Amino acid sequence: GAVVSQHPSWVICKSGTSVKIECRSLDFQATTMFWYRQFPKQSLMLMATSNEGSKATYEQGVEKDKFLINHASLTLSTLTVTSAHPEDSSFYICSASSSSRQETQYFGPGTRLLVL
Amino acid sequence: TQLLEQSPQFLSIQEGENLTVYCNSSSVFSSLQWYRQEPGEGPVLLVTVVTGGEVKKLKRLTFQFGDARKDSSLHITAAQPGDTGLYLCAGGGSQGNLIFGKGTKLSVKP
Repeated sequence: GAVVSQHPSWVICKSGTSVKIECRSLDFQATTMFWYRQFPKQSLMLMATSNEGSKATYEQGVEKDKFLINHASLTLSTLTVTSAHPEDSSFYICSASSSSRQETQYFGPGTRLLVL
Repeated sequence: TQLLEQSPQFLSIQEGENLTVYCNSSSVFSSLQWYRQEPGEGPVLLVTVVTGGEVKKLKRLTFQFGDARKDSSLHITAAQPGDTGLYLCAGGGSQGNLIFGKGTKLSVKP
């Protein structure tokens, strides 16, 4: 149980385009989903926290207009990187937790984004 | 600000050796988790410790939570090449988020 999927697993796009990444909890209801980015050889950095049906809470330094997060249902959250630039190239990972076990986050397999 | 310091950052050992990875903080955490991450994949949860002084074993891996709940350690006995990966400790933040250490990159050579 507690499986989280991400789609796509990797994406290459041109500078200036927008990219949408989906995060789904497959066998549980995720009241909270988290979005992280990870640069090569570095740890995970939290970008934002989203609760179903409400606006996401962004970490300091993360542009909310650039990284649009939608958590429309208890099993789906999306991250849209708008007007992507090469510096947005990174490994984006989502995680999900349920109301019954908030201290445990289940991670997706990640999405590698390369902006040319 | 809650921070987690992991050490060492890099560790390269021979198969069969033992090793310990440390995760320290000046803050108290309600829980600490250990993850292993392989390149191009998301982190996989190994264990969650919640009680000060708690010790949990997972085959050749032993996890310990400090009495004051400010630090934790991961000990691997007789390491194998399959243990190679990035080991991350993470503590529960005050807002339900996870605060990650910088990770320990372990390489076990056959």
